[in-house]
Amino acid sequence: DGGITQSPKYLFRKEGQNVTLSCEQNLNHDAMYWYRQDPGQGLRLIYYSQIVNDFQKGDIAEGYSVSREKKESFPLTVTSAQKNPTAFYLCASSMGVTSDEQYFGPGTRLTVT
Amino acid sequence: AQKITQTQPGMFVQEKEAVTLDCTYDTSDPSYGLFWYKQPSSGEMIFLIYQGSYDQQNATEGRYSLNFQKARKSANLVISASQLGDSAMYFCAMRGYLTGTASKLTFGTGTRLQVTL
Repeated sequence: DGGITQSPKYLFRKEGQNVTLSCEQNLNHDAMYWYRQDPGQGLRLIYYSQIVNDFQKGDIAEGYSVSREKKESFPLTVTSAQKNPTAFYLCASSMGVTSDEQYFGPGTRLTVT
Repeated sequence: AQKITQTQPGMFVQEKEAVTLDCTYDTSDPSYGLFWYKQPSSGEMIFLIYQGSYDQQNATEGRYSLNFQKARKSANLVISASQLGDSAMYFCAMRGYLTGTASKLTFGTGTRLQVTL
């Protein structure tokens, strides 16, 4: 089945530690995205990538980093510089950045204490 | 800048009835697209329906239709014949195509729909 996988579903970390969230897609999509969702709010764009080895900051990139070494993979690192890292993180992909539809993964809920 | 406003934090509807979820938007982009996504309690976002700003007809997808009123800048989602499985959060989103923001979806805060027996 084609789709997007994110692992793990739940992640717990101590404050001050970096943590990397996984996102893999087998849809052969060029564009991939990372969003953050906080309770009672919509999604906000963290980073996006149009092609391999290229990525752009979204609205809330501070404290996050990404890489795009393979077309299928777009991992997100939440660094210790992110002031409020506890949130629900969603990865998405689309044919291209101007494609109408973005396909989302199941999300990772990160809790930092 | 783009903005999406969803003024209904929560809605109730009886099974088999129709329900309208409100969405208004603001953008300076002359060409844009409007989207509705469903988010069940499991968390994934499910694409429901899309409307382009220059589309002549309102979009429909099965039991979902989008009531697009361009002059009023509204893009309400209508769900006909509600089912228990429709209980979820619903998000309205938009993207602009001409101002360099085509890569970015701007989301509203969502409406929680509860379908009752």
